[in-house]
Amino acid sequence: EVQLVESGGGLVQPGGSLRLSCAASGFTFSSYWMSWVRQAPGKGLEWVANIKQDGGEKYYVDSVKGRFTISRDNAKNSLYLQMNSLRAEDTAVYYCARDGILWFRESYFDYWGQGTLVTVSS
Amino acid sequence: EIVLTQSPGTLSLSPGERATLSCRASQSVSSSYLAWYQQKPGQAPRLLINGASSRATGIPDRFSGSGSGTDFTLTISRLEPEDFAVYYCQQYGSSPRTFGQGTKVEIK
Repeated sequence: EVQLVESGGGLVQPGGSLRLSCAASGFTFSSYWMSWVRQAPGKGLEWVANIKQDGGEKYYVDSVKGRFTISRDNAKNSLYLQMNSLRAEDTAVYYCARDGILWFRESYFDYWGQGTLVTVSS
Repeated sequence: EIVLTQSPGTLSLSPGERATLSCRASQSVSSSYLAWYQQKPGQAPRLLINGASSRATGIPDRFSGSGSGTDFTLTISRLEPEDFAVYYCQQYGSSPRTFGQGTKVEIK
């Protein structure tokens, strides 16, 4: 059974930093592109970043470029999101998601974690 | 960036009725790279449809997707109590991947 479990969310002040983690199990983690998708309270979904199987390619939505860094450790079956210079508008539930197409940078998301809430507020 | 507009915003129906949800793209979605998701309160989204019309693993056949180009439709043939939720479309034909704003299917 595919499982994705996020952790690391919490309350942080504007300008602060936070590192999210996602532990993957039930599939060959190193074979898949992986993504972070967020959802502001009461709002819709927004893709944030994704990373290739070997970590050699990374892509970001414009609003987080230069502030967020996606990474992975295939030996630990783990995905990460380092978030710096956080703003109030980054407040959201952050989901770890598996990209469903192995060979394609852009894909649908076939499995999702339960999400972790990040609140940016003073 | 491709903007996806879903309509209606809210659909009020009774169990057993047919639901028709629309997703319109601001430009053509290449290769029908469109997906649909269901989200219930407090839960993560669940993939229903990819490639505009292919049901994901374990999805009941009362869910069907259709369309191409800029106009796509999700149909739920007969609503079950567990189908009342918010539905999102998502395109993955061009970067960045984008989602529609969602359609809420509520019990009438």
